Amino acid sequence: DAKTTQPPSMDCAEGRAANLPCNHSTISGNEYVYWYRQIHSQGPQYIIHGLKNNETNEMASLIITEDRKSSTLILPHATLRDTAVYYCIVRVGGNEKLTFGTGTRLTIIP
Amino acid sequence: KAGVTQTPRYLIKTRGQQVTLSCSPISGHRSVSWYQQTPGQGLQFLFEYFSETQRNKGNFPGRFSGRQFSNSRSEMNVSTLELGDSALYLCASSWTGQGMDTEAFFGQGTRLTVV
Repeated sequence: DAKTTQPPSMDCAEGRAANLPCNHSTISGNEYVYWYRQIHSQGPQYIIHGLKNNETNEMASLIITEDRKSSTLILPHATLRDTAVYYCIVRVGGNEKLTFGTGTRLTIIP
Repeated sequence: KAGVTQTPRYLIKTRGQQVTLSCSPISGHRSVSWYQQTPGQGLQFLFEYFSETQRNKGNFPGRFSGRQFSNSRSEMNVSTLELGDSALYLCASSWTGQGMDTEAFFGQGTRLTVV
């Protein structure tokens, strides 16, 4: 699986949009970009995933660059409950294995 | 729909003992994966089971094993426990009946402490 690079930490003011970047410059054509988050000591929570088109669901939006070498997860109106470690993962379609990096620790500031 | 259920939530064992952890996937999910999370190594993939067969395996010693039953429930076993096996063990389930981009859903984990 391709490696991902994320900033170790970010802060965001409550109510503002949180934009979390991820670099995956070696991504292959059959690899999807997945985002998960983990709130302290809980199991990771699925957020969103995409292949090459931008995606949106009730939690977040995923913007993937045209060359697919990077992506951005957007939480449109961050709340204190969004404080967590966010993981960007590149995964081969059909392979259930998730390779977690160190993620980005997002802190929402009141 | 019920989520992924892991039992027990907490466990304390002595070095040298063995332990069995259980995972009940979301109804209809056929794939179950196990992960180990430690402060030093982060989240690491242990193995994946699909239709009672191990389909993928991480880089862990043979003391770590698992199995899946016909109802998709899974167990993992760690024999001859070491202090370094203290970790949060997470189970994830997903449905791989159709499509290549399934979503894995995690349980709350079993916190194992080896003393």
